[in-house]
This record gives sequence, structure tokens and C-alpha cells, in this order.
Amino acid sequence: NAGVTQTPKFRILKIGQSMTLQCTQDMNHNYMYWYRQDPGMGLKLIYYSVGAGITDKGEVPNGYNVSRSTTEDFPLRLELAAPSQTSVYFCASSYSGVAGVYNEQFFGPGTRLTVL
Amino acid sequence: EDQVTQSPEALRLQEGESSSLNCSYTVSGLRGLFWYRQDPGKGPEFLFTLYSAGEEKEKERLKATLTKKESFLHITAPKPEDSATYLCAVQDYFGNEKLTFGTGTRLTIIP
Repeated sequence: NAGVTQTPKFRILKIGQSMTLQCTQDMNHNYMYWYRQDPGMGLKLIYYSVGAGITDKGEVPNGYNVSRSTTEDFPLRLELAAPSQTSVYFCASSYSGVAGVYNEQFFGPGTRLTVL
Repeated sequence: EDQVTQSPEALRLQEGESSSLNCSYTVSGLRGLFWYRQDPGKGPEFLFTLYSAGEEKEKERLKATLTKKESFLHITAPKPEDSATYLCAVQDYFGNEKLTFGTGTRLTIIP
């Protein structure tokens, strides 16, 4: 299993440009998440999904959009890039099945995004 | 709102010098406390989950413990390969499996 994969690894955007960060998992996990990590700050949840077709906002959703059409893929869209979106973005997934069993999240390698 | 505070921010140890990392938390109802390891340029790697006060888990030179207000990650006789940032996160009963992370402790083991 490849686990959680993310593309691209690095990207530089100009202010106002758009892009999609790709995330795929091959573990048949139902939950998927997008986090951003800024220096000196903890990981912050942007959006999450509990299954195909279902998404919800996290702590810092402004400026981002997501969709989940399949179990495997959970892309993150930046419509009008701003310098404040310069960060490292991590996708994660987990499986929630049996009630009372709380499973760990598995993280991808990250995408380092710079907006100039 | 859930909160996680980790201390110290950075810790330098000689190889073989044991120590502990602290994770203090406030949460409305703890479902689980998670420890992750993060190497530079990589995503967090899962280490442990603790569910209730008094619980302990071990993996090689690492042992995680949990009380009602904090968790400790004890590292015994560390090696240079244990150098990494260690992240603590909590999950509550109301957040639909969302994790609240601390800012991490950057651990450096000097040969």
C-alpha cells in the first residue's frame, strides 16, 4: 500500500492564481482531512470528509474548497491565492467503523506552497 | 474549545540521556490523546493513542503516559535517530474525529 499520497510536493503561486492540491489514499479509509501547518503553530484543520459526497468545515476553511466524489480522493482547491495561504498542507485519512474504536490518522508527505 | 500545550519547545540531549516531554490539555470530553513523530520535510507519523488516565504504552525507547490533565512522552537512552519533532493531539467526543494539535517539541539527540 502507498498509504496517503499528495501532489505536488512543492508549488509557487502568484497572488490571485488558483490551484488544486491532490490527495489519494489506498487504505479504504472513510474519513479524510486537510490540515495546514505554519511555523510555530499546531496543525490546523481546514476541511474534512466522513465519506464520499460528505464534507464539512474545520477551523480555518476560508479561501479553500473541497469535494469528495470517491472514497480514495479528496482534492483541496485554492481559488484566489493569497500570501496568507503560504504554508505546508497535509492530507490525512482514518477509518471509523466500530463504535467506540477511535483510530489514528495517517498523514501524507505534504505539499509546500508559497504564494508571492 | 480544546487546547493543547507542549513543553519544552525544544530539547537537546546527549545520546543516552533520558528525559520527558510534556503535553498539557483541556478538552470537553477526551476520546483519545495521540502522539506523533514528525521528521523534517515529512508528514506526522503515528506513535501512540491513549484513552484513559493511568494508561501507558511503550514502543522501543518511548513510553507514553496519561493523566486527567497531561501526558508525558518518556524517552529512555535516546539515540540520534530519535531526533524529530514530537506532536501531541487530542480528540473529543463532539468533534467528529477532528484532532487539536499542540505546536510540538523539537528533540535533538547529540551523539
